[in-house]
Amino acid sequence: DIHMTQSPSSLSASVGDRVTITCRASQSINSYLNWYQQKPGKAPKLLIYDASSLQSGVPSRFSGSGSGTDFTLTISSLQPEDFATYYCQQSYGVPLSFGGGTKVEIK
Amino acid sequence: EVQLVQSGAEVKKPGESLRISCKGSGYSFSTYWITWVRQMPGKGLEWMGWIDPSDSYSNYSPSFQGHVTISADRSISTVYLQWSSLKASDTAMYYCARSKGFYSGNDYWGQGTLVTVSS
Repeated sequence: DIHMTQSPSSLSASVGDRVTITCRASQSINSYLNWYQQKPGKAPKLLIYDASSLQSGVPSRFSGSGSGTDFTLTISSLQPEDFATYYCQQSYGVPLSFGGGTKVEIK
Repeated sequence: EVQLVQSGAEVKKPGESLRISCKGSGYSFSTYWITWVRQMPGKGLEWMGWIDPSDSYSNYSPSFQGHVTISADRSISTVYLQWSSLKASDTAMYYCARSKGFYSGNDYWGQGTLVTVSS
């Protein structure tokens, strides 16, 4: 099974900050990496697919990069509505797997 | 408008059976796979398995294999997740979500079904 490790598990940031979340796979997953945002009491929302492709309707301040085993989600200028938990997910091999999540909180 | 609408919250006793549902609308149901994801209280997301509604091919995470069954009824655009014998540890929110295929992300999600198992 492919294990996904996210870091940090939580972070505090201010509106306008640049935020970076990393995700590492236990083996190469090419670019089959997705990022989701989840707010309390809500279903996850797809932000980025195939490591760097922006899902339709997602603001351009979100971007993804990486391939192989190391990936990054960047929020260029944090907005109030971005405070949430973010998950990476590999869709390279079954069982698919999620990272443990990164909670982005208000500083 | 694409929608995945899940059945309502359930409260069950250990050992009881349960089937929850996920109904798709606003798209060609058979052309997207449906995944089930578990989220235990205060915890992260866990991939349970998926089904291709076009032929009912399904695949499960080893963590859930043998404990749940995923099935589909194309005629009513609905996918099911069922248990034959619930445990207290099955208490969680369950989400369905669609994907275009094996390597794709889940672009639409259901609202979630809360399952509570308690004696």
